[in-house]
Amino acid sequence: GESVGLHLPTLSVQEGDNSIINCAYSNSASDYFIWYKQESGKGPQFIIDIRSNMDKRQGQRVTVLLNKTVKHLSLQIAATQPGDSAVYFCAENPTYNTDKLIFGTGTRLQVFP
Amino acid sequence: KAGVTQTPRYLIKTRGQQVTLSCSPISGHRSVSWYQQTPGQGLQFLFEYFSETQRNKGNFPGRFSGRQFSNSRSEMNVSTLELGDSALYLCASSSAGTGSEKLFFGSGTQLSVL
Repeated sequence: GESVGLHLPTLSVQEGDNSIINCAYSNSASDYFIWYKQESGKGPQFIIDIRSNMDKRQGQRVTVLLNKTVKHLSLQIAATQPGDSAVYFCAENPTYNTDKLIFGTGTRLQVFP
Repeated sequence: KAGVTQTPRYLIKTRGQQVTLSCSPISGHRSVSWYQQTPGQGLQFLFEYFSETQRNKGNFPGRFSGRQFSNSRSEMNVSTLELGDSALYLCASSSAGTGSEKLFFGSGTQLSVL
C-alpha cells in the first residue's frame, strides 16, 4: 500500500536528526494543504494540514511551512525516529467545497540507527 | 471511533470481469471520496460523493462508477476489468466535504487483475 516506483525520491536520515521533506505544488489557487504518511500495507495517515492564510503550523514533532510565492510546501520532522520511516505525500486542494485532492509523487523517508 | 473501513482487503480478478469495492466512512462523516494508487501514477482522484450525490469525478473511463447510500456508506464498481486496473483503491471520508477539513483514509483494497 505505498508508492514504490523507482522514481520515488528518498531521504535517508540518522535517528535523532531532523528531517525536511519538500514538495512543490501545482495550483496557485490551492487553499488547503495536507501532509500524509503512508506505511507499507496501510492507507495514507493524516499528519498535519495548513490553510493558505498561514505560512507555518506546528504539531507534535512536525512543522509545515508554506511558501505561496514559489508554491512550495515543506514538512519538518524533529528528532526523527525509526517509526517515522514511510512514504510522505503532500496534497493540495484547489477547489472549494470538495475533497478532490491533488497528491504529490511522494518521498520515501528512511531512518537508520 | 472506528476509522474508515474498506472491504475486501485483497481481490484477485481476471480481465473482463467486474468488481465491487465497499467503504464505510467514519461515523458521522457525510463525504466519501475514492482514489486509485499505482506505482506509476501515484494517487489519483476517482470520484467524490456527498449526501448520495456524486459531486466530483476524476479523469477515469466510464467503466469506473460509484454510489453512496443513505447511511453514507459507498461502493465503487469497475466493469470489464483491464490489467492496468491493478491498483490499491483507497476510500477517504470527511465530515462535510468542505475541502478544508481533515480527510481520513482507509487501508484500501488491493486489486490484482490477471
